[in-house]
Amino acid sequence: DAKTTQPNSMESNEEEPVHLPCNHSTISGTDYIHWYRQLPSQGPEYVIHGLTSNVNNRMASLAIAEDRKSSTLILHRATLRDAAVYYCILRDGFGNEKLTFGTGTRLTIIP
Amino acid sequence: NAGVTQTPKFQVLKTGQSMTLQCAQDMNHEYMSWYRQDPGMGLRLIHYSVGAGITDQGEVPNGYNVSRSTTEDFPLRLLSAAPSQTSVYFCASSYSSGRFDEQYFGPGTRLTVT
Repeated sequence: DAKTTQPNSMESNEEEPVHLPCNHSTISGTDYIHWYRQLPSQGPEYVIHGLTSNVNNRMASLAIAEDRKSSTLILHRATLRDAAVYYCILRDGFGNEKLTFGTGTRLTIIP
Repeated sequence: NAGVTQTPKFQVLKTGQSMTLQCAQDMNHEYMSWYRQDPGMGLRLIHYSVGAGITDQGEVPNGYNVSRSTTEDFPLRLLSAAPSQTSVYFCASSYSSGRFDEQYFGPGTRLTVT
């Protein structure tokens, strides 16, 4: 599986945008970039995914570099409820069943 | 929909005991899986199933058995509990195993083996 690299932790002020980076220099052409987050004492939840183009949904935006070797998850206006561990995951183009979780980025929101 | 449900929420076992962690989903999902999460670490895949009657091993299958007799249920059996199996266990499901399918996770079962 292609690997991802994320900072261990980040802090952000409440009601400000948050940019969570992810490096995936060994990504293959058919790998999708997925983001999940895990709130304290809960199971992971899906946030967003993309292949090449930037993506938006109700939770976040995903900005993908032109060479696809990195991506950034953008929370437009962080709230205290966004405090979680965020995982950047690659899923290959052949129906790979598993999600390979790294240690993710622990996001702390400062009131 | 209840989504993915897991029982029990907490369990304490003695070394050598066996037990079954239950997982059910009401979304008619074909793909189900079990993960374990040790403190400070990401999730690791134990077993998965792409449909009723079909199961396969993940990254850390030793000491665990699974079966999938119905679409809805995917129980995880610990055959002879060991302290190394102390962990939080998550069940997940998705419509299929495709690369763009969102996986839905249950709330987890926290297991302690003494």
